[in-house]
Amino acid sequence: DPKIIQKPKYLVAVTGSEKILICEQYLGHNAMYWYRQSAKKPLEFMFSYSYQKLMDNQTASSRFQPQSSKKNHLDLQITALKPDDSATYFCASSQDLGGGRAEQFFGPGTRLTVL
Amino acid sequence: GDSVIQMQGQVTLSENDFLFINCTYSTTGYPTLFWYVQYSGEGPQLLLQVTTANNKGSSRGFEATYDKGTTSFHLQKTSVQEIDSAVYYCAMRENSNNRIFFGDGTQLVVKP
Repeated sequence: DPKIIQKPKYLVAVTGSEKILICEQYLGHNAMYWYRQSAKKPLEFMFSYSYQKLMDNQTASSRFQPQSSKKNHLDLQITALKPDDSATYFCASSQDLGGGRAEQFFGPGTRLTVL
Repeated sequence: GDSVIQMQGQVTLSENDFLFINCTYSTTGYPTLFWYVQYSGEGPQLLLQVTTANNKGSSRGFEATYDKGTTSFHLQKTSVQEIDSAVYYCAMRENSNNRIFFGDGTQLVVKP
């Protein structure tokens, strides 16, 4: 059974619209993350959460808003979508943020295409 | 700033060839270094990690040594197999937070 679920697997959106990418982890982890992988850049850290609190934000645009309704959920809301937002978005989780329990496990990704 | 450099975009080998993927890093701190592997349609998976300088990590026949002197963490494998075909990412994490910096990735193609 998959331990990190991302929905949907593929998503097509029009410019200017809003979408939510879903991430759920069933590893019992306390920390969750979002990364982006686009054609032009390597895997790029976006956010980290620990116990549902934002810990680190490396995304310049406020159009990207993580939402954590439960400890094992970290969704990503993207507003006013642009073609440059087209990428595969990976959710990850780890037991904790630091120490010896910080290994991150990645989900399968959501491939977003903005037309 | 913090960065990870992988110069090889693609490496093509035959089965049983020796693999060497170059990786260098730049940071002011004392990072943990990783190699991740990503198969088509999947997320990255941790292949190996090394926390302490001058130590070596190994997994599934792959090895990498954390060389603080040359700020390098090259990946090697003596004899690659077709199932090793994937994208390999060198990465580092500053120990003050859990943000991972990835290199551009190296596509390994192993021909039977």
